[in-house]
Amino acid sequence: QVQLTESGPGLVHPSETLSLTCTVSGFSLTGYSVYWVRQPSGKGLEWMGRMRYNGDTSYNSALKSRLSISRDTSKNQVFLKMNSLQTDDTGTYYCTREGNPFDYWGQGVMVTVSS
Amino acid sequence: DIQMTQSPSFLSASLGNSITITCHASQNIKGWLAWYQQKSGNAPELLIYKASSLQSGVPSRFSGSGSGTDYIFTISNLQPEDIATYYCQHYQSFPYTFGAGTKLELK
Repeated sequence: QVQLTESGPGLVHPSETLSLTCTVSGFSLTGYSVYWVRQPSGKGLEWMGRMRYNGDTSYNSALKSRLSISRDTSKNQVFLKMNSLQTDDTGTYYCTREGNPFDYWGQGVMVTVSS
Repeated sequence: DIQMTQSPSFLSASLGNSITITCHASQNIKGWLAWYQQKSGNAPELLIYKASSLQSGVPSRFSGSGSGTDYIFTISNLQPEDIATYYCQHYQSFPYTFGAGTKLELK
């Protein structure tokens, strides 16, 4: 069945770089686009960017200068890297599969930005 | 970017009652609207897509309607397991922005 699983460090220091991995199963990254969505603690959902099925990427304009999304189709993984982290980047980060529009989600990974 | 205005932000209702949430898009999204449920500590779950189509496995007490710029989400016969935060999201054109959410509580 379709599954997405996020992984990465729970704690990042201010000004450092966040690296997250989304490992998928049950579908192909060359057939479906995968998005990253984050949720600051106690707040709403914010889409961050996407890795399209054809390898193209798109980013939220507010994060574009700090964000990079890539993939390894042989490992069924999509990667997120965001630099210059600040305390307001604290929250839960999700990867989700595009399908009407997002039909499957990972369980999320909590990231705390703190010194 | 298309902006989504969702209201109310908070809603208190009794078991067995019906509730309604509205979402207004800043331009015509031609029915490309989804509704999600997010329970505390969990990822969002897709309930409704294309404004009124029920995702597989979702109870029929959930429904959606609307067109153009204005959309409505309804829960009939409110159940304890429906306590959650609900979000609308358009997907008419990239980027697919979300509404700010409606937190549903028991009265």
